[in-house]
Amino acid sequence: ILNVEQSPQSLHVQEGDSTNFTCSFPSSNFYALHWYRWETAKSPEALFVMTLNGDEKKKGRISATLNTKEGYSYLYIKGSQPEDSATYLCAFTGGAGSYQLTFGKGTKLSVIP
Amino acid sequence: DTGVSQNPRHKITKRGQNVTFRCDPISEHNRLYWYRQTLGQGPEFLTYFQNEAQLEKSRLLSDRFSAERPKGSFSTLEIQRTEQGDSAMYLCASRGALLHEAFFGQGTRLTVV
Repeated sequence: ILNVEQSPQSLHVQEGDSTNFTCSFPSSNFYALHWYRWETAKSPEALFVMTLNGDEKKKGRISATLNTKEGYSYLYIKGSQPEDSATYLCAFTGGAGSYQLTFGKGTKLSVIP
Repeated sequence: DTGVSQNPRHKITKRGQNVTFRCDPISEHNRLYWYRQTLGQGPEFLTYFQNEAQLEKSRLLSDRFSAERPKGSFSTLEIQRTEQGDSAMYLCASRGALLHEAFFGQGTRLTVV
């Protein structure tokens, strides 16, 4: 059984604050680590896919890092805006078979104007 | 092609009825996945198709569930004799053969009353 853990479960921040979330995943048989943003009534939107230890990716005010040896990834949001309010999902792909995604439970972010 | 499309968006059914959902993936994607998300959980893998072949099924997929992808394009997920525990968001995702990233539809929310 693969366990992907995310923390915190939920988070309320003021507009303009920076914040970060954690995802931990199995460090063995690693293939890829995914971050998705899921807004209510929309499709989960892919933010990043990372495959190499030490990867760092950035998209606007959002960035992510990856440590495959210890099995964790961080997602950072700089200067949070109300439109950043969403559930952020982390998913692990192992290196065999269907390459299915194993998701964590997500971090629900609310940005207060 | 505007992405992964799922129909219907919402379905309310009485316990014991059969329901069928449809997923139209991104046209050039040969890999198709079904996931289910219940309250407070991340999406959980149900089944995987590569072209028209169903190559993997989760233990979550009881014998009341059946999925098809007859021509390697759209897919259907049928639930027979629905139970209240089947109430969930059913998500479809597709991925190209050489891509790490999976693209999701908006999901079908099933409510069994």
